[in-house]
This record gives sequence, C-alpha cells and structure tokens, in this order.
Amino acid sequence: DAGVIQSPRHEVTEMGQEVTLRCKPISGHDYLFWYRQTMMRGLELLIYFNNNVPIDDSGMPEDRFSAKMPNASFSTLKIQPSEPRDSAVYFCASSWGLAGTYEQYFGPGTRLTVT
Amino acid sequence: DAKTTQPNSMESNEEEPVHLPCNHSTISGTDYIHWYRQLPSQGPEYVIHGLTSNVNNRMASLAIAEDRKSSTLILHRATLRDAAVYYCILRDAPNNAGNMLTFGGGTRLMVKP
Repeated sequence: DAGVIQSPRHEVTEMGQEVTLRCKPISGHDYLFWYRQTMMRGLELLIYFNNNVPIDDSGMPEDRFSAKMPNASFSTLKIQPSEPRDSAVYFCASSWGLAGTYEQYFGPGTRLTVT
Repeated sequence: DAKTTQPNSMESNEEEPVHLPCNHSTISGTDYIHWYRQLPSQGPEYVIHGLTSNVNNRMASLAIAEDRKSSTLILHRATLRDAAVYYCILRDAPNNAGNMLTFGGGTRLMVKP
C-alpha cells in the first residue's frame, strides 16, 4: 500500500500566482481531509470530504482557497491568488470513517512558500 | 473534542523506556484516547488508541487511568527514530458528525544517544 500521496512535495511561487496541491487518498477510504500546519497556529483542519462530497469547509481561511474531489482517488486544494501568509505545510489525510475507532492516515505534506 | 494537557517537551536516553503523560479531566464516557506522532518533516502518524483498558501494539503501550482522566503513552525502548512531537487527542466514539482530529501543542520528545 503506497499510503496517501501528495504532490508536489515542495512548491515555491510568487505572490498572486495560482497554486494547486494534489492528493491521492488510500484506496477504499471514504473520508479525505486537508490540513495546514504553521508554527504559529499548529495543525488546522481546512476541509473534509465524504464520498467525494465536501462536508465541512469552515476551516478554509478565505475565498481564495478552494478544494475539489472529482473522484474517489483524487483531490485538489487550490489557492488563487496566493499570498505570503499562505506559506505553510499542507497535509492531506484519509480514513475509513469518522468515528473514534478510526485512525487517519496522513500524506508527507506539501511545503508551500509564497514570496 | 475535549481538551487535553501535555508537557511541552520531554527528554529521554536511547534504549530507555519513555512515559508520555496526558491529562484529560473533562473526558466523556464515549471519548476514545488517541495518540499520534509527527516525526521531523513528516505528516502525523497514528500510534495507538484506547477507551478504558490498557492497549498494546507494535509501536507502544497505552495505559489509561481507572477514572480515565489521564493516560500515559509508553515507549518501551526509545530509539533515535522516536524523536518526534506526540499528540494526545480525544475523539468521540459514536459522534460521526463532528468527530475531527484536533491537534494541540503536543509533547516534543528528544532522545539522547
């Protein structure tokens, strides 16, 4: 099992540019999560999907952020336009369920730097 | 998720046991106690979880107090690879709707050779 796959692993872009982060969850998992980690705020949940449908996007910081899951094996997180304060590590995770008995599996993350 | 309290950091010697404490005095009867860890430059990884009884797996042991207001993650023989931030998280067992992983500050474990 390859685990959760994220690409790219590193992204450096200039302010104002569009950034797209990609995630492939573990096959068979019904839930997909996007997190952001910064030194100041730690790990925060941005949005999560169930069966490809966005359920809760209350953690998305602004309208500049959008996420999609066109099928069970692919999700994107897009930032347009990007700003320096978006610099962070973005993690994707997946799981079979939400109940307290299920663990989440995290990808290696995408380190985003916006200059 | 109910709040947990962990020490900011701990230090251990290689090949010695490590006991990482977590207080969760407001835990509810249906909350599972989960532990995750985050190695440097990696995503968080699941370590172990339990409800009432002590639990063992290949990575660690989880000791849960009888009143469930505290728990301890036990690494039986720390290795340099165990240096990480360890997060103690409570998750409601039946509450699917709002049962998110909420990460606090965790405990940064440093392992000395």
